Amino acid sequence: KNEVEQSPQNLTAQEGEFITINCSYSVGISALHWLQQHPGGGIVSLFMLSSGKKKHGRLIATINIQEKHSSLHITASHPRDSAVYICAAPASGGSQGNLIFGKGTKLSVKP
Amino acid sequence: EPEVTQTPSHQVTQMGQEVILRCVPISNHLYFYWYRQILGQKVEFLVSFYNNEISEKSEIFDDQFSVERPDGSNFTLKIRSTKLEDSAMYFCASSLDAISNQPQHFGDGTRLSIL
Repeated sequence: KNEVEQSPQNLTAQEGEFITINCSYSVGISALHWLQQHPGGGIVSLFMLSSGKKKHGRLIATINIQEKHSSLHITASHPRDSAVYICAAPASGGSQGNLIFGKGTKLSVKP
Repeated sequence: EPEVTQTPSHQVTQMGQEVILRCVPISNHLYFYWYRQILGQKVEFLVSFYNNEISEKSEIFDDQFSVERPDGSNFTLKIRSTKLEDSAMYFCASSLDAISNQPQHFGDGTRLSIL
């Protein structure tokens, strides 16, 4: 069964800073999920990636399948980016199904 | 953009009562999921559902829980004889399929409070 670890647990940044959140997992997978959980609790899927890099606006996600590691970067961070960022990996490999979630990284961006 | 909708947003129930949490997945999606998040803890998988049957379930999903797709649009999670420890946020999600790299789309969740 996959184990998903995230770091850091908490992150405080000043507006404009470049943010990096890391995720590692123990069982080989074909795709990893990055999710954002708003202060109100709702979850939004940011990325699902299987190799290389994906970019959406100021968010960039990278994954190294061989090293079982992924990073989420936020460029030019803004207070509205404040949320919990969660990575999730399939429990037994593959790309979907039973997801194992990391504990999340709580990001707070100060103006 | 189509979205997953969950009702109610908050449910308060007495211990021992049955609750039904409702979800309307995105209309052309084929795979459906329930997750829960106990306050302060990480999100946990409960069950996945495809082609009118459970495709996978976790150890949490015991005989107290059941899922159903009673019609072409709703996907429900029933909890029989609720316990205090069932208090959590329950999220429904759906995806187009489980093979290609299609992300899961989450609803806003139902906060279940057991008294």
